[in-house]
Amino acid sequence: EIVLTQSPGTLSLSPGERATLSCRASQSVRSNYLAWYQQKPGQTPRLLIYGASTRATGIPDRFSGSGSGTDFTLTISRLEPEDFAVYYCQQYGSPPWTFGQGTKVEIK
Amino acid sequence: QVQLQESGPRLVKPSETLSLNCTVSGYSISSGYYWGWIRQPPGKGLEWIGNVYHSGNTYYSPSLKSRVTISVDTSKNQFSLKLTSATAADTAMYYCARDDGYYYDWGQGTLVTVSS
Repeated sequence: EIVLTQSPGTLSLSPGERATLSCRASQSVRSNYLAWYQQKPGQTPRLLIYGASTRATGIPDRFSGSGSGTDFTLTISRLEPEDFAVYYCQQYGSPPWTFGQGTKVEIK
Repeated sequence: QVQLQESGPRLVKPSETLSLNCTVSGYSISSGYYWGWIRQPPGKGLEWIGNVYHSGNTYYSPSLKSRVTISVDTSKNQFSLKLTSATAADTAMYYCARDDGYYYDWGQGTLVTVSS
């Protein structure tokens, strides 16, 4: 089973700043099958990125994903007020699929 | 657009079986795709439970494998989750979703509490 470790646990930033979230896998993720989700309180997770770098339908271009192998990054270029949320990575390269523990992006 | 809706008891007694259904609309399950279950304990992160293909092929989380069964009923365009020997640790929001590996289409989720 691939274990995903996200860092930091909490990121305190101001609107307009750049956010960089990390997701590290315990072994290489096959074909870079890595997804990112955003979840706000009381809401269903929302797919942002799949295939490590492909934005899902309707996702603003301030969200970008990068990385390969065991190290992946989600970057939010300029934080908007609606971007403060919890972000999860998920690998689907090798069953069982697994999620990271999440990174909370909070307003500083 | 694919829509999913979870249904089932919201309260389950310890040691009993947690059972949920997910009804799919806007897409025929028998046409393809895997269909998955994910859960989230209150205040915690997402946990993958497992998935099922329209043919009935399944994958399960190793930590739940001994207690989980996911099945599909193409005649009702539904798939379902059964988790035996429920404990308080199984209290969570349970989501069903279309499984492309990643999850774009989700149900709204249903909170299941395990308590006497």
